Amino acid sequence: NAGVIQTPRHKVTGKGQEATLWCEPISGHSAVFWYRQTIVQGLEFLTYFRNQAPIDDSGMPKERFSAQMPNQSHSTLKIQSTQPQDSAVYLCASSLGTEYAEQFFGPGTRLTVL
Amino acid sequence: GQQVQQSPASLVLQEGENAELQCNFSSTATRLQWFYQHPGGRLVSLFYNPSGTKHTGRLTSTTVTNERRGSLHISSSQTTDSGTYFCAIDRRYAQGLTFGLGTRVSVFP
Repeated sequence: NAGVIQTPRHKVTGKGQEATLWCEPISGHSAVFWYRQTIVQGLEFLTYFRNQAPIDDSGMPKERFSAQMPNQSHSTLKIQSTQPQDSAVYLCASSLGTEYAEQFFGPGTRLTVL
Repeated sequence: GQQVQQSPASLVLQEGENAELQCNFSSTATRLQWFYQHPGGRLVSLFYNPSGTKHTGRLTSTTVTNERRGSLHISSSQTTDSGTYFCAIDRRYAQGLTFGLGTRVSVFP
C-alpha cells in the first residue's frame, strides 16, 4: 500500500499562471478530501468527493479554484490565475467513505507563487 | 472563533519527561483524530478515537466527546517525538476535518 500519492511535490508558478495538482487516493477508498495548510491559517478543508461525486466544496475559494475527480484513481485541484496568497501546502486525503471514516493524508504539494 | 483549541501552543521537554496535550472543541463532534507532523513531513494519523482511551506504544489518547475534549499523553519522551501534533474533529453533518492550530513539541537530549 503506497498510501495517498500527490504530484508534484513542489511547484513554482508565476503570478497569473495556472497550477494543477494531482492526487491518487489509496486503492479501495471512495472518499477524497483536499485541504490547504499555511502558517497563518493552519489546516483548512477545501472540498470533498465521494464515489467521484462532489459532495461538499464549502471551503473552496469561490473564484479561480476548482476540483475534479474524473475516475476513482485520481483527483485534481486546479488553480487559475495563481496569486501569491495561494502559496501553501495542498494536502489530499482519502478514506473508506463510510460516515466519518478515518482519513489518511498524502505528503502534500508545496505551491509557491512568485 | 476557533472551533478546535489546542494547548499548549508549544512545549519543550527533556528526553524522558512526560507530556499531556489538550484539545477542546466547541462544535458537536462525532470523532476526534490526532495527527503528527514532522517539519516538512506528511500528516501521520496517530489515533482515531471517537471516545474512551486508546494506547499505542508510549502514546495514549483519551476522548470525552460529551465534554468536548480530548488529550494526548506522551510518556518517556524521546527526541524523535519532536514535531507538531494536531487535533482534528469530524463535525456532525460535515465530512471535512476541522483542525486545531497544533502543539509544537521539542524534545532535547
